[in-house]
Amino acid sequence: EAGVAQSPRYKIIEKRQSVAFWCNPISGHATLYWYQQILGQGPKLLIQFQNNGVVDDSQLPKDRFSAERLKGVDSTLKIQPAKLEDSAVYLCASSMGGVQGANTEAFFGQGTRLTVV
Amino acid sequence: KQEVTQIPAALSVPEGENLVLNCSFTDSAIYNLQWFRQDPGKGLTSLLLIQSSQREQTSGRLNASLDKSSGRSTLYIAASQPGDSATYLCAVTWQAGTALIFGKGTTLSVSS
Repeated sequence: EAGVAQSPRYKIIEKRQSVAFWCNPISGHATLYWYQQILGQGPKLLIQFQNNGVVDDSQLPKDRFSAERLKGVDSTLKIQPAKLEDSAVYLCASSMGGVQGANTEAFFGQGTRLTVV
Repeated sequence: KQEVTQIPAALSVPEGENLVLNCSFTDSAIYNLQWFRQDPGKGLTSLLLIQSSQREQTSGRLNASLDKSSGRSTLYIAASQPGDSATYLCAVTWQAGTALIFGKGTTLSVSS
């Protein structure tokens, strides 16, 4: 079974530039998550999708971050404009979801390491 | 506020030792708890998932226990090996359909 795919693996940009990350979840997984992991910290949820609808985006800095999940499969996360403090690993995860949120075991991709200089 | 805490932040042991990693959480009404492994520069690998109705789960040399009343989970690693060196993360879901909330992790170093 193919895992969660993310690209690119690494990205270096200057502050105030824009960047986009892509995620392809495990086939059949209805729920998709984007997490931000700053060095030395645990991952922090940015946004959660159930199919193509947003379940939780309460911690997404909406003035600069945006995410979409068209057709309920692939997802993109964008940052515009980037700040130095956005340097982190961006992790995508998926779970089966389903009725009342059952099957919540989450599987993660390799992540995208973003460096803002 | 729902939080997950992992102590210690780092642990060094000699090869062959049995060890325990600790995870504590506020609010005992959890839905499930998941242990992950993270190698440097890599994503997270799921190790064990414990549902709220379960007391423990086992996979090979790993055993995870859950004590909701005390708000704690432990990950027991038997006969540690240098290949076990990694960061171990504990994460909790408090409600069905909601996302995992993570601790900061314990970085384990096993020396040969």
